[in-house]
Amino acid sequence: KQEVTQIPAALSVPEGENLVLNCSFTDSAIYNLQWFRQDPGKGLTSLLLIQSSQREQTSGRLNASLDKSSGRSTLYIAASQPGDSATYLCAVNDYKLSFGAGTTVTVRA
Amino acid sequence: GAGVSQSPSNKVTEKGKDVELRCDPISGHTALYWYRQSLGQGLEFLIYFQGNSAPDKSGLPSDRFSAERTGGSVSTLTIQRTQQEDSAVYLCASSFSGGAGDNEQFFGPGTRLTVL
Repeated sequence: KQEVTQIPAALSVPEGENLVLNCSFTDSAIYNLQWFRQDPGKGLTSLLLIQSSQREQTSGRLNASLDKSSGRSTLYIAASQPGDSATYLCAVNDYKLSFGAGTTVTVRA
Repeated sequence: GAGVSQSPSNKVTEKGKDVELRCDPISGHTALYWYRQSLGQGLEFLIYFQGNSAPDKSGLPSDRFSAERTGGSVSTLTIQRTQQEDSAVYLCASSFSGGAGDNEQFFGPGTRLTVL
């Protein structure tokens, strides 16, 4: 069974700092990995999808890396803003998604 | 529609009652998934549909849970004889196909179920 771990569980930073969120998974037989954002009481917003053949994916201030062989992905958020405050979830896809518990981010103004 | 929609957004029911939750996927998406998000368990997979067939029902927690999909579109998740531990947010997602490649999943806003 796929196990997904996210570290840290929570993170608080001042505005402008870069964020580094880590995700690890136990089974490297995946199709892709998705990073999601979840605001309190809301659904999931897809941020980035990295195919298993890719090493990196970028969208604006977001950059995600994938090292399938070591079972790790990292989400970098550059120059954080208070609007980035949310819970970030990684999910590995072997046709169904297995989620980590998430990292709750607070960006202080 | 433009995105995945779910109804109702909130449902409060009494223990022992049956409930039906509805999901409308993105038009043209052949794959549909149900997930559950609860405080103690995080986000967990329930069932996967490819067209109207459900090749993977392994995440359904008990035989009180069932789901169907009709016309390759709308899906209904039914919980019979609800229990308090069924309280959770039920999320639906769809993707263009169920195989590799284009399998980005897009989520609806969820249905928050509270069993009193």
